[in-house]
Amino acid sequence: DAGVTQSPTHLIKTRGQHVTLRCSPISGHKSVSWYQQVLGQGPQFIFQYYEKEERGRGNFPDRFSARQFPNYSSELNVNALLLGDSALYLCASSVGQGETQYFGPGTRLLVL
Amino acid sequence: EDQVTQSPEALRLQEGESSSLNCSYTVSGLRGLFWYRQDPGKGPEFLFTLYSAGEEKEKERLKATLTKKESFLHITAPKPEDSATYHCAVPNSGGSNYKLTFGKGTLLTVNP
Repeated sequence: DAGVTQSPTHLIKTRGQHVTLRCSPISGHKSVSWYQQVLGQGPQFIFQYYEKEERGRGNFPDRFSARQFPNYSSELNVNALLLGDSALYLCASSVGQGETQYFGPGTRLLVL
Repeated sequence: EDQVTQSPEALRLQEGESSSLNCSYTVSGLRGLFWYRQDPGKGPEFLFTLYSAGEEKEKERLKATLTKKESFLHITAPKPEDSATYHCAVPNSGGSNYKLTFGKGTLLTVNP
């Protein structure tokens, strides 16, 4: 069975640009969560979506937004990129909102 | 605020030398404790979920245990392929979402 997939795998942007990251959950999973992981730290929660509705938001600025589509895939958008946005962005899917989360390989974003 | 602290930050073992990793947590109303393994540049891989004090789970050379305040990941006779960062995480104690709060992780290196 295919696991969580994310695209692109790597991305280089410059300050002020916009980026869109994509995630496809495991088949049958209806919840998608996004996390940011900077080097040497654990993943930090950004958003959770369940049944296409935002169910939770972490302590991130409004430059970060996300959405979930009818097929349960998801996009994370970040506007006005800052150097500090450089990180590994992880998507996790789960069957339901309170179930075990399974992570994708991540998208490595570098902001120059 | 939910908190997760892992120790040690780094652990270097010889192949076959057993040891334990610690995860202490502060959360009201524990809704589970998760252990993940993460290889460099990849997403976390789910290992175990523990729900109640006294619960134990095993997988190959790994055994996870849970008390009311901490969890241990015991590694018996480790092999070099067990080298990775091991994270523990707890779901938030309230609210409608189900975000995971992660510790910084323990970087395990097993030398042949």
